[in-house]
Amino acid sequence: DAKTTQPPSMDCAEGRAANLPCNHSTISGNEYVYWYRQIHSQGPQYIIHGLKNNETNEMASLIITEDRKSSTLILPHATLRDTAVYYCIGLFGNEKLTFGTGTRLTIIP
Amino acid sequence: EAGVVQSPRYKIIEKKQPVAFWCNPISGHNTLYWYRQNLGQGPELLIRYENEEAVDDSQLPKDRFSAERLKGVDSTLKIQPAELGDSAVYLCASSLLGLAANEQFFGPGTRLTVL
Repeated sequence: DAKTTQPPSMDCAEGRAANLPCNHSTISGNEYVYWYRQIHSQGPQYIIHGLKNNETNEMASLIITEDRKSSTLILPHATLRDTAVYYCIGLFGNEKLTFGTGTRLTIIP
Repeated sequence: EAGVVQSPRYKIIEKKQPVAFWCNPISGHNTLYWYRQNLGQGPELLIRYENEEAVDDSQLPKDRFSAERLKGVDSTLKIQPAELGDSAVYLCASSLLGLAANEQFFGPGTRLTVL
């Protein structure tokens, strides 16, 4: 699995876009980038994943740089319920998920 | 649609006592996972089942931990005897097979405190 690096914490104002960076400079061509989040006292929740192209779903957008060495998860209009720990994970196919310590995102009212 | 169900939500036991956790995955999900999450850390995989078969139990401490998934649906994770260091949240997750296996659905977890 590709090693990923994320900032330990970030703040974002409610209603603004939250941009969470992830560095995965050692990622190989076949490794996907997955994002999960974990709200306090809950289990992790799948958000989105991508390989090369940018992806968007009802929860978020994933922007992957052309060289695939980094990516950004975008929550377009952050709400207080988006306060959580966000995990960026790089892995092949259906290899097991390996969670790091993630980014603790706090949405400020 | 019902999510992954786990019970109990909280358990407090004394060291050397046995404990068991139960998980009911999402209907139709043939892959089931047990994770352990220590305070301030991300979840760590303990065991993965595909239907009834444990396909990855390399991280399961087999001297005291055991798991089963009879009939390929519900699963039970047991610790006997529990140690102080086993205090953690135990998470169950389920998914479909193949590439979708990484879109896992997690239960709320069981918080174990060993005194």
